[in-house]
Amino acid sequence: EAGVTQFPSHSVIEKGQTVTLRCDPISGHDNLYWYRRVMGKEIKFLLHFVKESKQDESGMPNNRFLAERTGGTYSTLKVQPAELEDSGVYFCASSQTANSYNSPLHFGNGTRLTVT
Amino acid sequence: GNSVTQMEGPVTLSEEAFLTINCTYTATGYPSLFWYVQYPGEGLQLLLKATKADDKGSNKGFEATYRKETTSFHLEKGSVQVSDSAVYFCALKGNTGFQKLVFGTGTRLLVSP
Repeated sequence: EAGVTQFPSHSVIEKGQTVTLRCDPISGHDNLYWYRRVMGKEIKFLLHFVKESKQDESGMPNNRFLAERTGGTYSTLKVQPAELEDSGVYFCASSQTANSYNSPLHFGNGTRLTVT
Repeated sequence: GNSVTQMEGPVTLSEEAFLTINCTYTATGYPSLFWYVQYPGEGLQLLLKATKADDKGSNKGFEATYRKETTSFHLEKGSVQVSDSAVYFCALKGNTGFQKLVFGTGTRLLVSP
């Protein structure tokens, strides 16, 4: 079984540019999550999709961030325009069910975003 | 709201030393508790979990016990190896509805031969 895949693995962009991160969840997983770790700090929740619908987007920092999951398969996270404080590692995770404490989250390797 | 506090690193140990990484939490109700590990160049992996008070999670020689009275979930290993060098994250998840994982800041462990 293929795991959660994310790309690119690294991205370096200038302030003001646009970047799009992609996540492919494990096949059959309806739940997809985005998390972010800013340097040295905790991993913070950004948002949660159930299929193509946004279940919880309370962690999205501002309207420069746009997440989509068309068709309920892969997801994209676009940052436009990027700011210096957006630098960090963006993790994607998927799970079969969301409201069971026994449903583990499977994480991807993350995308390291550097905004200069 | 829910939160997790874990000890700052890095923790530097020699091979075969005893490891403790402290983790305490604040939560309403009865959350599930987790330890995740991130090895260099890899994603987050679930290391172990505990879903109720006094449960002990264990995996790969690591253990953690869910202590409700002290709201703690400290990670321990009796004899660390160089291959255990990684960043360890304590996390919790509420048990009602669609609960998101809440992570601590992570603790880097460096084990030298």
